[in-house]
Amino acid sequence: AQKITQTQPGMFVQEKEAVTLDCTYDTSDPSYGLFWYKQPSSGEMIFLIYQGSYDQQNATEGRYSLNFQKARKSANLVISASQLGDSAMYFCAMRELYNTDKLIFGTGTRLQVFP
Amino acid sequence: GAVVSQHPSWVICKSGTSVKIECRSLDFQATTMFWYRQFPKQSLMLMATSNEGSKATYEQGVEKDKFLINHASLTLSTLTVTSAHPEDSSFYICSASGPGQGKGNTEAFFGQGTRLTVV
Repeated sequence: AQKITQTQPGMFVQEKEAVTLDCTYDTSDPSYGLFWYKQPSSGEMIFLIYQGSYDQQNATEGRYSLNFQKARKSANLVISASQLGDSAMYFCAMRELYNTDKLIFGTGTRLQVFP
Repeated sequence: GAVVSQHPSWVICKSGTSVKIECRSLDFQATTMFWYRQFPKQSLMLMATSNEGSKATYEQGVEKDKFLINHASLTLSTLTVTSAHPEDSSFYICSASGPGQGKGNTEAFFGQGTRLTVV
């Protein structure tokens, strides 16, 4: 069954430091997409980064990078040079292409950046 | 990225009444739409997946007669909460995807969400 696991309910990081948010997934679909979203207190879902199951390179988008380890089924998000505005909930998500076509989310990690 | 508009952003209704939430894709054809429910400080729980012109596929435990989903066109899906009760109060959010849109043909674009309060 399709499943996403985020084991860190909360994380603290000092401004300008890097932080890694963990995500593991489980699927039998050979083709899938992995996403990270940021959700501030306003509730909107902000797309951060995408990794396709067949992508050879780890995805990067500005200060965000995705540490994709396919054999371990992990897709950790790395935020470099943290900013106060990065404080928010972060969700890992996965969409299977063939089996179910569902987009499901992990339980989320609340990141707090302190000065 | 593509734009999805969700309306209303918030609504307060009396217990026993029905509420309709609209989700529109403004600049692309949304062949698939997802509806989620989110309780405070929790994750997005998938309620149902709908494909244009087909009946929605509901997740286990979601009452299809209570949460009516219609996806009659490629740009509009609606969620109607029928006979709403206080326990239906929640944040509802939709997302839409379409061929050729976004990353890897799997990206879905989110509406702004609707905060429903039933009194």
